[in-house]
Parts: sequence; structure tokens; C-alpha cells
Amino acid sequence: DTAVSQTPKYLVTQMGNDKSIKCEQNLGHDTMYWYKQDSKKFLKIMFSYNNKELIINETVPNRFSPKSPDKAHLNLHINSLELGDSAVYFCASSPRDSEAFFGQGTRLTVV
Amino acid sequence: AQSVSQHNHHVILSEAASLELGCNYSYGGTVNLFWYVQYPGQHLQLLLKYFSGDPLVKGIKGFEAEFIKSKFSFNLRKPSVQWSDTAEYFCAVNARGRAAGNKLTFGGGTRVLVKP
Repeated sequence: DTAVSQTPKYLVTQMGNDKSIKCEQNLGHDTMYWYKQDSKKFLKIMFSYNNKELIINETVPNRFSPKSPDKAHLNLHINSLELGDSAVYFCASSPRDSEAFFGQGTRLTVV
Repeated sequence: AQSVSQHNHHVILSEAASLELGCNYSYGGTVNLFWYVQYPGQHLQLLLKYFSGDPLVKGIKGFEAEFIKSKFSFNLRKPSVQWSDTAEYFCAVNARGRAAGNKLTFGGGTRVLVKP
């Protein structure tokens, strides 16, 4: 059983398009995250949700909108995609004050 | 706000050599500390973690780390590396307490290349 699963694994799209990445965790964790990993492997937190409530919203363009329909799901919608959005996006979940479990990542390429 | 710095961006060494990766964090309160590994093309996996107690923690694949509170450090070590240890290594900090927001902050990563 995959603990944290994201779809799709690869996403190639044109500038200006809108796309979504889905994430689901079956670990029963209260907290879910989205991280962005750039080409230099730097990992930056984008959002954190705790029981469907937005807890952390780092300095992210408002073209990025997370949606948490329930505590097991945290989807990421991106409007008007730009070249600079190309990166690997990781979803993760964790219990409070503990380690995070990561999904396989979604490699987004904007052309 | 918490922050994490990793001293080395790239490390190249031969098989059987010893490895030590430095990590320092800044945060005024109590933290949980982690080392993650990312093998090429894969997701992050937990190597080890420190919450409290013995400051020397052992993880998977022969890795260990030592928490030195006075130095705000959590360095990772492995006595004898293998080619399969080639990966990106990330130190991470999670500040404890509700006010901290359960935010896991990562260092910039260290790319380790082990030559056969």
C-alpha cells in the first residue's frame, strides 16, 4: 500500500495552462504539505494543512491554490503556468511534531 | 523563524571512506531533527530522527547522527560508505509547539557521490 500517493508523476504542459496535482495519504495523519524542489534540489515548503485547515502559506504566487476536501487529501491547482513553475512538487504528510512521509513527486515541465 | 544550513554542497569520496555531513539550525525553542536521503530520481526517505534522549541516534543503512545542543548541530556520519550511498542528503528541523505550525524546514542539501 502506498502511504502518500500523488498523481500524475509527470506533467508536461504549455505556458498559460491550468493544471492540478492530486495527493492522498492513507496514514491517518492530520497534517499535509506541498513542497517545491527546484533544479538545484532545494526544497521549499509551499503550504501546510492541518485537518483541512490552512496552517502555513509561504510566499507563493496566488496562482497556486491548495484544496483539502478532507484530511486525507490535499490537491494543488496551478493557474496560468509559467516557465519558472517547472520543478518537482512533493506532497507529504505527518503526525504532529514528527517526521514527514513523502510522495513520489510530480515532475512538472512547463514549455 | 527556524532555518537550517548544511555546510557542504557537494562531497565526493571513495568506497569505504568515512562520511560526515554538517548541519546547523537556528531556532530559539525545542526542535525535532531529521536527516532524509533522496536517491537519484526518487522521493525523500527518512534516514534517522532525534526527538529527545540520547543525542547519538542510529538510523538505517549504517548512518548515525549526533545532536549537540550547545552548537545547534546535528551532523550525519557513516563510518564506511558504499557506492549505493550516492544520493542527496537533507537535514531538516521541525520546531515543536502549536505556534510553530508543524513546519518542517529543510537545509539546502548535500550531494554525495561515492566512487566505486
